[in-house]
Amino acid sequence: LAKTTQPISMDSYEGQEVNITCSHNNIATNDYITWYQQFPSQGPRFIIQGYKTKVTNEVASLFIPADRKSSTLSLPRVSLSDTAVYYCLVGATSGTYKYIFGTGTRLKVLA
Amino acid sequence: KAGVTQTPRYLIKTRGQQVTLSCSPISGHRSVSWYQQTPGQGLQFLFEYFSETQRNKGNFPGRFSGRQFSNSRSEMNVSTLELGDSALYLCASSLEGSGANVLTFGAGSRLTVL
Repeated sequence: LAKTTQPISMDSYEGQEVNITCSHNNIATNDYITWYQQFPSQGPRFIIQGYKTKVTNEVASLFIPADRKSSTLSLPRVSLSDTAVYYCLVGATSGTYKYIFGTGTRLKVLA
Repeated sequence: KAGVTQTPRYLIKTRGQQVTLSCSPISGHRSVSWYQQTPGQGLQFLFEYFSETQRNKGNFPGRFSGRQFSNSRSEMNVSTLELGDSALYLCASSLEGSGANVLTFGAGSRLTVL
């Protein structure tokens, strides 16, 4: 079961690009990487998912190097409303699975 | 498309009591997982159900239990409540519970134990 490590917290200013890296050294061949965003007193919500290389959607990009031992969530031009906790989750496509969330990264966007 | 519904949203109990929380997954989702979230411990996995069977369990005492019904709705129960059980309890549903499936979370049930 791949364990994830992320920075505990990050600060950024509005309009900047923010990159949050997640380390998952023992990722398995079948594991996907999924990122979630959580606001206070709400459930996490899906941001983006990938397996390798780069994935982009309307809110974020996910960069995964060839060895897949880490991944980077990129948030372009953040705003105050992006202040939240971001979690990466690594898990297999099949078999029984435990959803083990790491500590998450608390992003604070400053005006 | 309705989201994941958790009830009740807030509740207050006293030590020694028990509590039952309910989770209605997105239609068509067969996997439901439960989490406890506290400021000090973050998001901790409780258990996961698929087709009425518990497939995985986190490191919680036996006071924490759950079940899933044939319509995929799930309940979790905490007996003999302790002060430390005060937390936000979240459930999430997904199609099959694999790591490639996206989890959709409910808004949570906030339990306060006095």
